[in-house]
Amino acid sequence: GQQVMQIPQYQHVQEGEDFTTYCNSSTTLSNIQWYKQRPGGHPVFLIQLVKSGEVKKQKRLTFQFGEAKKNSSLHITATQTTDVGTYFCAGPPRSARQLTFGSGTQLTVLP
Amino acid sequence: NAGVTQTPKFQVLKTGQSMTLQCAQDMNHNSMYWYRQDPGMGLRLIYYSASEGTTDKGEVPNGYNVSRLNKREFSLRLESAAPSQTSVYFCASSGWTVDGNQPQHFGDGTRLSIL
Repeated sequence: GQQVMQIPQYQHVQEGEDFTTYCNSSTTLSNIQWYKQRPGGHPVFLIQLVKSGEVKKQKRLTFQFGEAKKNSSLHITATQTTDVGTYFCAGPPRSARQLTFGSGTQLTVLP
Repeated sequence: NAGVTQTPKFQVLKTGQSMTLQCAQDMNHNSMYWYRQDPGMGLRLIYYSASEGTTDKGEVPNGYNVSRLNKREFSLRLESAAPSQTSVYFCASSGWTVDGNQPQHFGDGTRLSIL
């Protein structure tokens, strides 16, 4: 079955440093979604990418979808303590009305 | 604007007991999902319902049953709880269009411990 892998599993950064998490799928994705989960909270949708090579920005967050639609990345510029949490990518197998979630990257921002 | 509501928020069971986790959404979404989240494992899909009247197995369905009671409600039942089912359970819902998957909206979760 489809597998979605994320690296790194954990990342500690000093406040102000940049952060990147990478997501790789074993199969081609029709789209990819990114979610953020704060400690003790529930996943919250951040963004969806659909087109090959697509790049979207949300303030300090930059999301990219690979040309082959099998990988994606999330880059945060100048991290803040409010960025703390676990970031998940998720993608559906073709024609599937479900998502396979990556294992997530847990970000800690040290003040 | 409640979104996705899960009950209960916390539960402690003994091995062999049964219970039902409830989930309701008020966003008129067609699709609903049940996930479990274990440390370091991310979210794993247990069952989902693409539309009212249908249910399908996800990645880890063993030991669980589901009921899509109506468009709003999707329940998850543990018939005979086992310690391996200790986890945080999330319900989610989403719309669906011909363009593909829509964002999933999650409830606050049920923290379930089985002794």
